[in-house]
Amino acid sequence: SYDLIQPPSVSVSPGQTATITCSGDDLEDKYVCWYQQKPGQSPVLVMYEDARRPSGIPERFSGSNSGNTATLTISGTQVMDEADYYCQAWDNSIWVFGGGTKLTVL
Amino acid sequence: EVQLVQSGAEVKKPGESLKISCKGSGYSFTDFWIGWVRQMPGKGLEWMGIIYPDDSDTRYNPSFRGQVTISADKSISTAYLQWRSLRASDTGMYFCARHEKKGPATMFDYWGQGSLVTVSS
Repeated sequence: SYDLIQPPSVSVSPGQTATITCSGDDLEDKYVCWYQQKPGQSPVLVMYEDARRPSGIPERFSGSNSGNTATLTISGTQVMDEADYYCQAWDNSIWVFGGGTKLTVL
Repeated sequence: EVQLVQSGAEVKKPGESLKISCKGSGYSFTDFWIGWVRQMPGKGLEWMGIIYPDDSDTRYNPSFRGQVTISADKSISTAYLQWRSLRASDTGMYFCARHEKKGPATMFDYWGQGSLVTVSS
């Protein structure tokens, strides 16, 4: 089975840049998307096709995918960005999620 | 406005059966696959399976095949997730989500509010 590995937690100060990684074998050969999930809420798509933002997602969110690592970057992180973030890729007819990263903004 | 509205919370005993639902509106329900995702308490997201409501073509995550049944009734724009015999380990939040494909990229762009399933004796 295909695994996507994320750091369990990332901390950042407000206004700074948060970087969340997602690693998988030959991940650059797949398209990665990212979801934000706040406590008690449903996931929200914040990035797709590695680096495309859905309508309504702030420009401070950006993405990249190279080699074995995809990255979600939040520039000028705000307190409201505190959430769990999950990467996702499609492999061999299975949609695979990373284990999730808790982003703390303090 | 695209909406996926799921059925409410359920409390069941081990061995009981259950069917939860996900009703789509605001788009052509038969044109998009609907996926189901499990989130166990305090844990991450797990893709369970996906169905194409127009012809009920269904794919399962091997980890969930045989444990649940996914179905759909396109006449009422509703997808279902069903258990024949619940176990305590089925306790969790279950989300439905609309699958979108933009060229080669695939994603779940709209999500239901979740259905909490609690299985306890």
